Amino acid sequence: DVKVTQSSRYLVKRTGEKVFLECVQDMDHENMFWYRQDPGLGLRLIYFSYDVKMKEKGDIPEGYSVSREKKERFSLILESASTNQTSMYLCASSFGGQGSTQAFFGQGTRLTVV
Amino acid sequence: AQKITQTQPGMFVQEKEAVTLDCTYDTSDQSYGLFWYKQPSSGEMIFLIYQGSYDEQNATEGRYSLNFQKARKSANLVISASQLGDSAMYFCAMRADYKLSFGAGTTVTVRA
Repeated sequence: DVKVTQSSRYLVKRTGEKVFLECVQDMDHENMFWYRQDPGLGLRLIYFSYDVKMKEKGDIPEGYSVSREKKERFSLILESASTNQTSMYLCASSFGGQGSTQAFFGQGTRLTVV
Repeated sequence: AQKITQTQPGMFVQEKEAVTLDCTYDTSDQSYGLFWYKQPSSGEMIFLIYQGSYDEQNATEGRYSLNFQKARKSANLVISASQLGDSAMYFCAMRADYKLSFGAGTTVTVRA
């Protein structure tokens, strides 16, 4: 059974803290993605990676960074958390290449920055 | 730059009727894929249907069909014979050049 696992379902952090959100997939997928989901805005792409150590900025990368040292793990880092980063964060992974390679999603992390 | 537009924030549909969810996209890539996902109130993301940019026939999966109009850059989802369990948020997405982008979503509420 395919699986994308995010390390926490709920997190509460203080303003200014460095925050790590971890995502692990067990499907040997090349591509991994981080999104944030806010009401009325849908899923907005923060960063994605198509290979180990490769990363590309998405549509809203400001205030975030990522790390992909191993194929199965993709970490999202909030360098200095701010209240406007309070959101639901979703990780996804998929096989590389073209075709009907659907993305599989983690269960999400609800982050609250106070 | 890629962009996905879903103009319908919310829709109501009567049980057993069909509903069409609009999606338009913009990309300069010639090769791309279009997806629809369902997100029920539980929060999980469920893949529904896929259409490739070079596919000549519209994709169908059970009660779901994708009305693909390439020249208009449109990829509408049609749900036939709506059921109460279809009440959820629906997202249109496009993959081009490794990047997978989503629209803002449409909330569908099915009435008995």
